[in-house]
Parts: sequence; C-alpha cells; structure tokens
Amino acid sequence: DAGITQSPRHKVTETGTPVTLRCHQTENHRYMYWYRQDPGHGLRLIHYSYGVKDTDKGEVSDGYSVSRSKTEDFLLTLESATSSQTSVYFCALAGGSTYEQYFGPGTRLTVT
Amino acid sequence: AQTVTQSQPEMSVQEAETVTLSCTYDTSESDYYLFWYKQPPSRQMILVIRQEAYKQQNATENRFSVNFQKAAKSFSLKISDSQLGDAAMYFCAYRSTLEYGNKLVFGAGTILRVKS
Repeated sequence: DAGITQSPRHKVTETGTPVTLRCHQTENHRYMYWYRQDPGHGLRLIHYSYGVKDTDKGEVSDGYSVSRSKTEDFLLTLESATSSQTSVYFCALAGGSTYEQYFGPGTRLTVT
Repeated sequence: AQTVTQSQPEMSVQEAETVTLSCTYDTSESDYYLFWYKQPPSRQMILVIRQEAYKQQNATENRFSVNFQKAAKSFSLKISDSQLGDAAMYFCAYRSTLEYGNKLVFGAGTILRVKS
C-alpha cells in the first residue's frame, strides 16, 4: 500500500545501541500499530496509537517505546537493542468505517 | 485473552486443485471479526478476506472463501483453482469488538506450497 512506508527497510545494529524505526502514512488514519513477526509466533502487537500523543502497550512491549507527535508518523524505539529483538517489524494502519488494518512493507532488524 | 491457533505449519496443493487451511480461536465474546492475511515471499501482508461474527453467511472473494463455524470457533480458508501465485504464508487473525484499539491477534501461520 503506497499510503504507508517504513524506514529503514533493513538495519543491522550492535547489542546495546539505540534504534528507531519510523512509520509514515499519508492516509490520515487514526490508528497505527507496531507488530513484530517471528517464526512460530505469527505477528505480535508491540504498541499501538489511537491518536496524536495517545499510545498504549501491546502483548510484547517490554524493551520498546513509541511516540506519535503528529498523525502521519509513528516511531518505534529500542532504547538498548538486544539479540532477542532481532525480528521483522511491521507497521499497520486502521481507519475509515471498517477499521481494517493495512500493513507497511516491514523492516528487517538484526541485532548482533 | 483471545488466542488463535493454526494447526497446520505447512500445506501443499497441486495447481488448479482446492486446498483448505484451518484456523480455530478461543473467545468468550459473541461479536468479533475474523481475517485471513496472505504474506508472499515479498513479505507484504495482504488482506484476503474478512468475516463478521454476527453474519451467518460465509464470506467469499473470488477463489477464496471461508467456512465459519461460530459454535465450533472454527474459521477455515478454502482456495479454489489454486495458482502458483497463491504460494505464501497465510495468517488467521481475530479482532475484538469490545476491546479498545481494533487490535489484531494472529495465529502462527501456515505455509502454502503450490506444485505445478
């Protein structure tokens, strides 16, 4: 979906370093989500946002923080990356009348 | 909390044939949404079909249809006339209508291989 982008698309970082992933939308949707995908687990919710400056935790929020200072951007931060945070990270949007979720292209993060 | 189970880690189907992917879920709610997402090798998550629990009629989208059995908490996906482009990981997902946030709960996924 061209209305949602993620950056970077790939990143390799070292244990203990901070990392920020960005999700950008052009759809003006209210809800934004961060998921991680790991083999055997499907996608699991990390954090989500229901408006500017309004965020809440998901199932696997430990070690992650988020911020949403404007409607179009939702940032995911790993304050001090660990090898267990090696994963593929997806951002998603939901809005309109059905609130179906549409996903960004994903970011593959490797923590060495 | 709701859970979604996909008991088939991998499935194979011959091109042009029909395959059914299984999904069961656990919930105490009576109204909710169920979805099937497709993830091809490109990694992009694509919404295939959705079902609203209060609707008894099974959803259909072209070659994709579901068998929704509410009492059994079962939501299987049937792919007819399978094509090579159907090869992907398929995820079943649940969305509550009571919990705030329109959050999705996913199953672990089923890899579908299509043989030519």
